[in-house]
Amino acid sequence: QKEVEQNSGPLSVPEGAIASLNCTYSDRGSQSFFWYRQYSGKSPELIMFIYSNGDKEDGRFTAQLNKASQYVSLLIRDSQPSDSATYLCAVRDNNNDMRFGAGTRLTVKP
Amino acid sequence: GAVVSQHPSWVICKSGTSVKIECRSLDFQATTMFWYRQFPKQSLMLMATSNEGSKATYEQGVEKDKFLINHASLTLSTLTVTSAHPEDSSFYICSARDGFRGEQFFGPGTRLTVL
Repeated sequence: QKEVEQNSGPLSVPEGAIASLNCTYSDRGSQSFFWYRQYSGKSPELIMFIYSNGDKEDGRFTAQLNKASQYVSLLIRDSQPSDSATYLCAVRDNNNDMRFGAGTRLTVKP
Repeated sequence: GAVVSQHPSWVICKSGTSVKIECRSLDFQATTMFWYRQFPKQSLMLMATSNEGSKATYEQGVEKDKFLINHASLTLSTLTVTSAHPEDSSFYICSARDGFRGEQFFGPGTRLTVL
């Protein structure tokens, strides 16, 4: 069974801090990695994707990928209350199947 | 990002009726579309995967005769919940994969309430 694991949280950080969200996956053949944000009652929204080892930065968001450790993370700098949401990690394998983690609930406190 | 629309955004129906939900990719061709269901405070559950012009592939435990999927074109997929019952009440979300870029985008979801 191919698994994508996330800590369900809740993860609580103060406004302005760095929020660190982690994800591990079991399928070594996975090729593409995605982070989605889902606000309560809404559908997921793609915020980052990463294909290669290392860091990828987009504004306040940085995705980090380590294929050897089968680990992908999302850092949110200068966290804002509006960042409070559930963050879903998704992994696409060699068969082009996308698998989602259960999500980590983030709360940014003013 | 690319735009995926769903219609209706919410629906309330009586037990035993059928409900059709449409999913459209508005600015890209979706070679593959996915249908998910999400119960309150739970994670996304993939129901089925459909490729344009072929039969959908259903996940284990999902009744194909109850959840009819038609992927008629590269921009449209429909999910019909037949003979809906209260336990089918959920948030149904479609997702479309951009055939060129490979990224997957979600529609806004349809909240179904069966009385």
